[in-house]
Amino acid sequence: AQSVTQLDSHVSVSEGTPVLLRCNYSSSYSPSLFWYVQHPNKGLQLLLKYTSAATLVKGINGFEAEFKKSETSFHLTKPSAHMSDAAEYFCVVSARAGGTSYGKLTFGQGTILTVHP
Amino acid sequence: GAVVSQHPSWVICKSGTSVKIECRSLDFQATTMFWYRQFPKQSLMLMATSNEGSKATYEQGVEKDKFLINHASLTLSTLTVTSAHPEDSSFYICSARAFRGSGNTIYFGEGSWLTVV
Repeated sequence: AQSVTQLDSHVSVSEGTPVLLRCNYSSSYSPSLFWYVQHPNKGLQLLLKYTSAATLVKGINGFEAEFKKSETSFHLTKPSAHMSDAAEYFCVVSARAGGTSYGKLTFGQGTILTVHP
Repeated sequence: GAVVSQHPSWVICKSGTSVKIECRSLDFQATTMFWYRQFPKQSLMLMATSNEGSKATYEQGVEKDKFLINHASLTLSTLTVTSAHPEDSSFYICSARAFRGSGNTIYFGEGSWLTVV
């Protein structure tokens, strides 16, 4: 079984300040973890992914996330928010079980990021 | 809370046949639904945007005649894989946006595993 919990449904920051979007997961197998972003009226876009390599993962647009197994967390951060970062963000876990190349995807319920001028 | 139901969760079909996947919003109306596909060891790829009462908008490279999308009502979108081939075996997932008074939230189905033999 696997699950994803995004701890905040809404996060509001000022432009130029740091962003932290929190994600905790549970999985019976070695997980792959993803962060996706969805801007209004558009489809999902992959920000970054962790697939058992380096625990600190760098993604597009200055975002990064750190896989912490001991804390079962995969929080998304960015040093300085930009207005264009305003969107909805999804944390996703995929557990690899039984030798399959990928497992069932489980999505968090999303965090809406608002960036104020 | 709002739920998106996807059916079937697992389906096996013979090469050359067609298979239909349903995506239902259970307690809200969704004028727009999204269909995604996940290739092995890759992340989700948006296939098309399903619009209630009108033609779907397909992403570049997605065959419209092969992946038929119908959004006949505000709570149901279907994806039909026509003349399926083994290379169509994949994980397909839909999402739908629920509009609330204070904003909107996107909900995902649990996905459908298609295996073509």
